[in-house]
Amino acid sequence: QKEVEQDPGPLSVPEGAIVSLNCTYSNSAFQYFMWYRQYSRKGPELLMYTYSSGNKEDGRFTAQVDKSSKYISLFIRDSQPSDSATYLCAMSVDSNYQLIWGAGTKLIIKP
Amino acid sequence: DAGVIQSPRHEVTEMGQEVTLRCKPISGHNSLFWYRQTMMRGLELLIYFNNNVPIDDSGMPEDRFSAKMPNASFSTLKIQPSEPRDSAVYFCASCPGGLNNEQFFGPGTRLTVL
Repeated sequence: QKEVEQDPGPLSVPEGAIVSLNCTYSNSAFQYFMWYRQYSRKGPELLMYTYSSGNKEDGRFTAQVDKSSKYISLFIRDSQPSDSATYLCAMSVDSNYQLIWGAGTKLIIKP
Repeated sequence: DAGVIQSPRHEVTEMGQEVTLRCKPISGHNSLFWYRQTMMRGLELLIYFNNNVPIDDSGMPEDRFSAKMPNASFSTLKIQPSEPRDSAVYFCASCPGGLNNEQFFGPGTRLTVL
């Protein structure tokens, strides 16, 4: 079993829908949780960064961490075609440690 | 800052040839990572350096792969000899370090080994 599990998709939704992307993990020592977005033929770029449990909101994006369930989520409200990309979760034990990556979920927003 | 710079952006070579990928990290960042990305296996960490010193190379597939970081502004990933199964996108990323472990990725090198 991988340390971080993420459904590769693709996930296809209509424009304007609320999107939910998820990752589960097995290492209870993870403290730092990130979501990266990767457009086709580009490198990943950081979208959201959360320390420990709780929610973090940035515009249409909300990151949620549930450490008791070892489950993290990324919600996208009012999804746009420009949100079509692959979303990768990543996490680490501490700020000096390497990131452990999910496989990435390909998201397609249909106009 | 121009961000992480990688060269070449595309490389097509024949099996058995030597391939060298290059990376210039963001100035001031003290950690550098080399990744390989394929459809089958996703993003795989090959090696990472901290202050120019290799810290973890357990992801390097085999002895055909080697990486160096002679100074804080330059790193290379070499494959010798290359094989078709090495075809992938290779990313370099750098990180400020300290309490900030956000990784900044370059545009990648798309390698095709025929």
